[in-house]
Amino acid sequence: GAVVSQHPSWVICKSGTSVKIECRSLDFQATTMFWYRQFPKQSLMLMATSNEGSKATYEQGVEKDKFLINHASLTLSTLTVTSAHPEDSSFYICSARDPRGGAQEPQHFGDGTRLSIL
Amino acid sequence: AQSVTQLDSQVPVFEEAPVELRCNYSSSVSVYLFWYVQYPNQGLQLLLKYLSGSTLVKGINGFEAEFNKSQTSFHLRKPAVHISDTAEYFCAVSSGSSNTGKLIFGQGTTLQVKP
Repeated sequence: GAVVSQHPSWVICKSGTSVKIECRSLDFQATTMFWYRQFPKQSLMLMATSNEGSKATYEQGVEKDKFLINHASLTLSTLTVTSAHPEDSSFYICSARDPRGGAQEPQHFGDGTRLSIL
Repeated sequence: AQSVTQLDSQVPVFEEAPVELRCNYSSSVSVYLFWYVQYPNQGLQLLLKYLSGSTLVKGINGFEAEFNKSQTSFHLRKPAVHISDTAEYFCAVSSGSSNTGKLIFGQGTTLQVKP
């Protein structure tokens, strides 16, 4: 079945560092990928829709300059947390859907990235 | 606008007992409904989905859900839970006319299976 790979699974870095998270569709091409943020014991909050070859669509309240999204190929989207601070610490998850399945195809999720900013 | 409400934030249950996790949705258009499970520090895994047709949907790990249009509900059930079912469960909805499959999630329900 469709697989989405996310890397790294865990990252710890100092405040002020920029961190890049990769999301890959392994056996299908995804023109659209989604990035979510999840706080402990809470649901997934959609941050943005990543569109291959064009600008990402950000949800209300999400800082575009803080969370840079690049979808340069049909199998890779990246989320860069720029100048990360402790409040950016969270669990970030991406998802993608195989377009060959049409509107009925479910989203497939990566295993998530635990980001801890010291 | 679409929304999803999971009525129970936590559901404690003993092993081998039946369980129901409740989900209600609101939407002005046709929808697809999903249940996902999340184990600690992992992404989401699809349990089952309702697209059309039979209102009773069977999924993996012995779970099933019933779509009730009149009550706008999509409750998840399992006749006998195991310790390994302890996890976070999310109900989600997407528009039937969506080209992207964008999901709206409920708040999640923590299923705690006790021995």
